[in-house]
Amino acid sequence: DAKTTQPPSMDCAEGRAANLPCNHSTISGNEYVYWYRQIHSQGPQYIIHGLKNNETNEMASLIITEDRKSSTLILPHATLRDTAVYYCIVRVAGGNQGGKLIFGQGTELSVKP
Amino acid sequence: GAVVSQHPSRVICKSGTSVKIECRSLDFQATTMFWYRQFPKQSLMLMATSNEGSKATYEQGVEKDKFLINHASLTLSTLTVTSAHPEDSSFYICSASYSGGANEQFFGPGTRLTVL
Repeated sequence: DAKTTQPPSMDCAEGRAANLPCNHSTISGNEYVYWYRQIHSQGPQYIIHGLKNNETNEMASLIITEDRKSSTLILPHATLRDTAVYYCIVRVAGGNQGGKLIFGQGTELSVKP
Repeated sequence: GAVVSQHPSRVICKSGTSVKIECRSLDFQATTMFWYRQFPKQSLMLMATSNEGSKATYEQGVEKDKFLINHASLTLSTLTVTSAHPEDSSFYICSASYSGGANEQFFGPGTRLTVL
């Protein structure tokens, strides 16, 4: 699976949009971009995933560049409860192992009042 | 939907004893389950992948005889830490996925193991 690069930490003001970047320059054509987050001492929580097109759900938006070498996770109105470590992961979907996730160091997002 | 539970949430044991951690998918059938370990201030490290009814596939450096994984049904996987030592103290997290779609993984809440 391709590696990803994320900034180790970011701050965001409560109520503002949080834009979390991720570089995945060696991504393969059949690899999806997944985002998970982990609030302290809890299991990771799935946020969103995409292949080529931009995606939006009730939690966030995912913007993938046309060349697919980078992406941005957008939390439109960050709250204090969004403080967590955010992981960007690329992997192949499916297969006999269901596509294992390899976690990098992630970005520690601190939302401040 | 897609809820995964773990039991126990916390366990403290003496060095040399064995500890079993259960991972259950509550509202779906998990064709594949994964076990991760996370040390303080570090990221999750994948330990092994298990498919129902077959032997687990362990990641490099993970001792299969120390970390026994049983995936006996489509809703239950167990991780047994045998002869636990203080360096096995960690946060153990399982996840489960089902075939179809993009195979998202759904994570359990984790089990905090402390070996004295």
